Amino acid sequence: EAGVAQSPRYKIIEKRQSVAFWCNPISGHATLYWYQQILGQGPKLLIQFQNNGVVDDSQLPKDRFSAERLKGVDSTLKIQPAKLEDSAVYLCASSPNHAVAGRYEQYFGPGTRLTVT
Amino acid sequence: GNSVTQMEGPVTLSEEAFLTINCTYTATGYPSLFWYVQYPGEGLQLLLKATKADDKGSNKGFEATYRKETTSFHLEKGSVQVSDSAVYFCALLNQGGSEKLVFGKGTKLTVNP
Repeated sequence: EAGVAQSPRYKIIEKRQSVAFWCNPISGHATLYWYQQILGQGPKLLIQFQNNGVVDDSQLPKDRFSAERLKGVDSTLKIQPAKLEDSAVYLCASSPNHAVAGRYEQYFGPGTRLTVT
Repeated sequence: GNSVTQMEGPVTLSEEAFLTINCTYTATGYPSLFWYVQYPGEGLQLLLKATKADDKGSNKGFEATYRKETTSFHLEKGSVQVSDSAVYFCALLNQGGSEKLVFGKGTKLTVNP
């Protein structure tokens, strides 16, 4: 079974530029998550989709970040314009359904390392 | 709010040494608890989990017991190997809320031959 795919693996941009990340979850997984992992910290949830609907985006900086999951499969996360503090690894994860009572494992992709200069 | 506190790293051990990585949590209700591992250049992988008090999660020689009275979920392994070198994250998921994982900051383990 193929895992969660992400691209690109690395991206370097200048501040105020825009960038987009792509995620392809495991086939059949209804729930998709985007996390931000700043160096030296644990991942922080940015947004959670159930199929193509948003379940939780309370920690997404909506003035500059946006995400979509068209057709309930692939997802893109965009930053526009980027700031220096956006330098981080952006992780995508998927699970068969809501992680109710820890019943469903979240499967993580390898991440995209973003450097903003 | 929900939070996880892990022991500060990095941790450096010799092969076959005993490992403990401390993890304590703060949560409303009765969370599920997890340990994730991140090997160099790879994504996070679930190592083990426990969903209720006194449960013991185990995998690949690692163990952790959900202790409600001390709000802890310490990771242990009796004899570490070089291949265990990685970053370990403790995490919780609260039932009935937005069902999002809350992670600790991670502990980097290096095992020398």
